[in-house]
Parts: sequence; structure tokens; C-alpha cells
Amino acid sequence: EVQLVQSGAEVIKPGESLKISCKGSGYTFTSYWIAWVRQMPGKGLEWMGLIYPADSDIRYSPSFQGQVTISADKSVSTAYLQWRSLKASDTAIYYCARPRTAGTTDAFDIWGQGTMVTVSS
Amino acid sequence: EIVLTQSPGTLSLSPGERATLSCRASQSVIRNYLAWYQQKPGQAPRLLIYGASSRATGIPDRFSGSGSGADFTLTISRLEPEDFAVYYCQQYGSSPPYTFGQGTKLEIK
Repeated sequence: EVQLVQSGAEVIKPGESLKISCKGSGYTFTSYWIAWVRQMPGKGLEWMGLIYPADSDIRYSPSFQGQVTISADKSVSTAYLQWRSLKASDTAIYYCARPRTAGTTDAFDIWGQGTMVTVSS
Repeated sequence: EIVLTQSPGTLSLSPGERATLSCRASQSVIRNYLAWYQQKPGQAPRLLIYGASSRATGIPDRFSGSGSGADFTLTISRLEPEDFAVYYCQQYGSSPPYTFGQGTKLEIK
């Protein structure tokens, strides 16, 4: 079964750093882009960026460039989303997602279960 | 960056009725690379339609997508109770960012 399994919920203080993960299984991890999508409480979906694990080609949304770091470790079939200094406004659910078609930035047919990140003092 | 505007914001209908949701892009979507997703509370989004009009695997045929250029429509022919959810469109045709619309909430009347 093709799936993306994300790391668990986090409660973090403002100013702290964080790295969440998304592990792919059931397919060739290096053949598909992985994207990250934010959903703030009660709000819509926001496309953050994506990475091609085979060569770590990364594309960021201008809205998130410089605010987060996307990376991947193909040896463990895992993509990551990282913050250096979290703010309360980073409180959200973060989803990873995989496109339908290998090697393309197609529509996302596989989604992780989401990671809830709560930033609060 | 392409901006997608969905309308209406909220649609109130009864089971058995027909739903028509709109997604308008600020510029033409290349190759009609427009997708529709359904999201229920507490769940990840689910892909319904890709390429403006192709149903994803396992999606019932009461869901259909149409449109081209900058105007797209998702139609649900006869609403089932499980169809009441939030629907998002997304374009993935041009260079990133592959933006989403703000969503349409389909609620039971």
C-alpha cells in the first residue's frame, strides 16, 4: 500500500526550532516529488513548497521562502519540514502530499495524515 | 502567482440536489492542470478531479469536472449525505507556487 506517514503532534514554545517528518512507503520514494501544505486553524490549504528526493531539487512558495526549510533523506525515504524559530502564527496542521505521476508535479493523490503543530508559551 | 477564486463561499443544498462549484483563475491555467479536492473535518484532503475533468481512482461518477482556460466547474449531480464537506481547487500547470483556492463549504440545507 502506498502511504505517507507523518510524525506526531508537537507543542512548541515561541522561538524554538522544530523538524517534522513524512515517511513514504509502498513506492519508489526517489521517483516522486513530495509537497508540504499548511492549514491554519479553520482556514484553507496553502501550498508551501516541494522537493524531489532523487536530487533534492526544491521549489518554495514566495510566501514561505526563508521561513521554512524543506529537505529529504532518501536513505530512509523521508521528507522533512523545518523551522529555526517558531512563532504563534505557525500554529497549523501541516500535510505532506505526493503527486499522481512519477517525476511530475501532478495533482496530489496521496496525502499524509497531517501533523498538528501548536506554538504556545 | 496564479490566484484562484472559488464561489460561492458556502453552498446550502439538500441531499439529492445538484451542486455546482466554481473556480476562477487570475490567468489561464496551463494545459488545464486544475484539480479538485474534498476535505472533511479532521481528515486530509482527497483528490477528486485532475486535469480539469478526469476523475481520480475510486471517485463516484456523480462527481464531474469541466472548464478550460481560467474558468472551471465541479458538479455533483445528486448529492449524497457524505458529500457535504469543503471543496478546494488547485492549479499545478505553471511554475510554482501551485496555489489552492480558498474553498467552498457545501452544507446541508
